[in-house]
Amino acid sequence: DAKTTQPTSMDCAEGRAANLPCNHSTISGNEYVYWYRQIHSQGPQYIIHGLKNNETNEMASLIITEDRKSSTLILPHATLRDTAVYYCIPNSGGGADGLTFGKGTHLIIQP
Amino acid sequence: DAGVIQSPRHEVTEMGQEVTLRCKPISGHNSLFWYRQTMMRGLELLIYFNNNVPIDDSGMPEDRFSAKMPNASFSTLKIQPSEPRDSAVYFCASTLRVGAGANVLTFGAGSRLTVL
Repeated sequence: DAKTTQPTSMDCAEGRAANLPCNHSTISGNEYVYWYRQIHSQGPQYIIHGLKNNETNEMASLIITEDRKSSTLILPHATLRDTAVYYCIPNSGGGADGLTFGKGTHLIIQP
Repeated sequence: DAGVIQSPRHEVTEMGQEVTLRCKPISGHNSLFWYRQTMMRGLELLIYFNNNVPIDDSGMPEDRFSAKMPNASFSTLKIQPSEPRDSAVYFCASTLRVGAGANVLTFGAGSRLTVL
């Protein structure tokens, strides 16, 4: 699986859009980009995934650059409940063989 | 759907005791994963099963750890004997493996183990 680089921590004001970057310059052609988050004292939670195209669901949007070397997770209207550690995970099997979690980004939503 | 169910949620035991953690995956899921999370090492994959068969246990730290999946609706992770360094939160996750492509893991709430 490709290695990733994410900021250690980020702040965002409540109600604003939170943009979380991830660098995965060694990603291979068959690797999806997955985003999970872990709210304090809870298990990781799936957010969204994509391969080449931008994706949107009820939780977030995922923007993947054309060269696929980086991506950005966007939480359009952050709330205090979005405070969590966010993990960007490239994976070819989609987690069927298990996902490798890095250190992630600790996103803190400020009131 | 009740999600992935883990028990116990909290366990405090003394060094040398046997610890058994339990997991009930989501009904219909055919892959199950055990993870361990510590401050120092983050989230680590210990072992995973496909169709109740252990596929990769390379993450199991040592012989004191063992995992079983006797049927599609139940798995256990056993530590015998337990040591203080085993203190961690242990997560179970499951997915419906659909071959190549996207699979989404659903995690349980975790079992917090403290070994004194």
